[in-house]
Parts: sequence; structure tokens; C-alpha cells
Amino acid sequence: KAGVTQTPRYLIKTRGQQVTLSCSPISGHRSVSWYQQTPGQGLQFLFEYFSETQRNKGNFPGRFSGRQFSNSRSEMNVSTLELGDSALYLCASSLTTERSSYEQYFGPGTRLTVT
Amino acid sequence: DQQVKQNSPSLSVQEGRISILNCDYTNSMFDYFLWYKKYPAEGPTFLISISSIKDKNEDGRFTVFLNKSAKHLSLHIVPSQPGDSAVYFCAASDYQAGTALIFGKGTTLSVSS
Repeated sequence: KAGVTQTPRYLIKTRGQQVTLSCSPISGHRSVSWYQQTPGQGLQFLFEYFSETQRNKGNFPGRFSGRQFSNSRSEMNVSTLELGDSALYLCASSLTTERSSYEQYFGPGTRLTVT
Repeated sequence: DQQVKQNSPSLSVQEGRISILNCDYTNSMFDYFLWYKKYPAEGPTFLISISSIKDKNEDGRFTVFLNKSAKHLSLHIVPSQPGDSAVYFCAASDYQAGTALIFGKGTTLSVSS
């Protein structure tokens, strides 16, 4: 079974631009979560989507948004990029029903650099 | 306010010895805890979990201990192997409420041969 895939793997953008990252979950997984990892900050939760609906949201500004498609693929968008948005963005998928299932399977991440 | 804390940024252990990674949490509503391992250039990999109704869970060389009164959990790796060298993240959630996972900042484990 193929794992979680994320595209692109690396991205360089300029302050003020916007960016869209893509995530394809493991086949059959309906929940997709996004995390931001910065040096010394661990993994900070951005949001979770289940059946095309945002189920949980972290404490990030509105510049960070996401969506999920009917095939469970997900995208996250960051508008008006700031230098502090430089990070590794990780996507994770899981089998889930009513509540979040926490055995999450992570993709390799997208390394975003904002200059 | 950091709800999940891993106070040791790094740990060095010799091959064959025990590695003990610690994690503290502040939210008494947390009832489900997990450990993840992360190698460079890869996403985190699920290792082991424990529910608050238990105080210990074992899986091969990995054992997680939960002390609810102290709001503390630990991951024991016995025996440690060089391939265990990675960053270890502790995570917690209020499973009943369906909240998202809250991760600690991680501990880098180095196992020398």
C-alpha cells in the first residue's frame, strides 16, 4: 500500500506570495491532518479534515487554510507569506470514524523556505 | 502555554543500554498518549501509544509508562540500538473530546556503538 505523499517536497517562495501544498493520504484513509514543524518548536497542529469538512483547527492565523476533496486528497494554502512561515509542513492521514484516530501516518513533508 | 513538554532536548546512550525518554503534560483531560520517531528527511513514524486506563504498554523493545498523578509518561527502549538514533516526539490528546494531537518539541536520541 502506498504511503502518504506530499508535493512538492521543496519550495522556495518570496515574502508576500502565496503557496499551495498538496497531500495524498493512504488509500482508504479519510482523515488528513496538517502540521508545521519549525526548529525547536516540535509539531504544531494546523487543521484536520474528515469527509471534506474541517473537524479541528489549531491556533494559526487565517492566512493558513486548507481543504479536502471527495477522494480525501487535501491541500493547504498559505497566503501573504512571511519569513516565519519557513518550515517543514507535514501531512498525516489516519483511518477514523466519529473521532480522530491517532495512529497517524505521516508523509515526508514539504520544506518551505520564504525569502 | 506548552501543554506537552519534553524537557530534555537530547539524550546520548550506549548500544545495549536502556534509553529513557520523558514527557510531562499539564492538561488533566488528556487521556491518550503516543510516541513518534522521526528520522531526518522523513515524516514521523508511530511507535507506541497508551490510554489513560493503563499505566504500561509494551511492544517489543519499547515500553511506555504512564503516571497520571504526576502527569508524566516515559518511553523505555531496551536494549538501545544505533538504528534507534532519531528524534522522539511525545503527543497527547483528549480522546473523548476528539481533540487534535498536541506534540512536544522532541528529544534527539543518539545511540553509540
